[in-house]
Amino acid sequence: DTGVSQDPRHKITKRGQNVTFRCDPISEHNRLYWYRQTLGQGPEFLTYFQNEAQLEKSRLLSDRFSAERPKGSFSTLEIQRTEQGDSAMYLCASSPPVAGVRETQYFGPGTRLLVL
Amino acid sequence: SQQGEEDPQALSIQEGENATMNCSYKTSINNLQWYRQNSGRGLVHLILIRSNEREKHSGRLRVTLDTSKKSSSLLITASRAADTASYFCATDNFGNEKLTFGTGTRLTIIP
Repeated sequence: DTGVSQDPRHKITKRGQNVTFRCDPISEHNRLYWYRQTLGQGPEFLTYFQNEAQLEKSRLLSDRFSAERPKGSFSTLEIQRTEQGDSAMYLCASSPPVAGVRETQYFGPGTRLLVL
Repeated sequence: SQQGEEDPQALSIQEGENATMNCSYKTSINNLQWYRQNSGRGLVHLILIRSNEREKHSGRLRVTLDTSKKSSSLLITASRAADTASYFCATDNFGNEKLTFGTGTRLTIIP
């Protein structure tokens, strides 16, 4: 049984470049979440998918950010025209489809982004 | 935005002692969860307590929830060096799926 995986684990980029991160949830988990964590802070919610539908987006998700989950399995998070303020750990989580019950979110190892 | 705060921000204790961390939050919740994060890594789920529960145990962990005070505590008994990590509480509300995290407590266990 594999957990949530994220790729790459680390990314260094220059300001203005585009970056894309991938998240593979635990198999059969239909819910997938993206969070961002800056140094010394707790994670902050970015967006949430149920299957392929993006159901919730944070105001943190500016128009430079886009997330997709085209087949309801893996997801990608793209940041266009990166800024130094985008430097953070990007965390992905998934949870199972348990009707009527809010369940645990299982987190991946994260992608650490550094924008120079 | 962060839901609330953990207290203390940092805690150092001797191995074998008990560690207690507190979490306060701002709005009504559905569940409260505690997560552990080792330096620079992802979060590991520890325990979930529902809003209609007052206390829960899991191994060396004991969590309490007081919805009237909008607070929770996490007790780790007989601490070990491997417990050194940051601990976060996270809440979810009725009607949405996101978790809202606190600012974390950095726990250091001194061998």
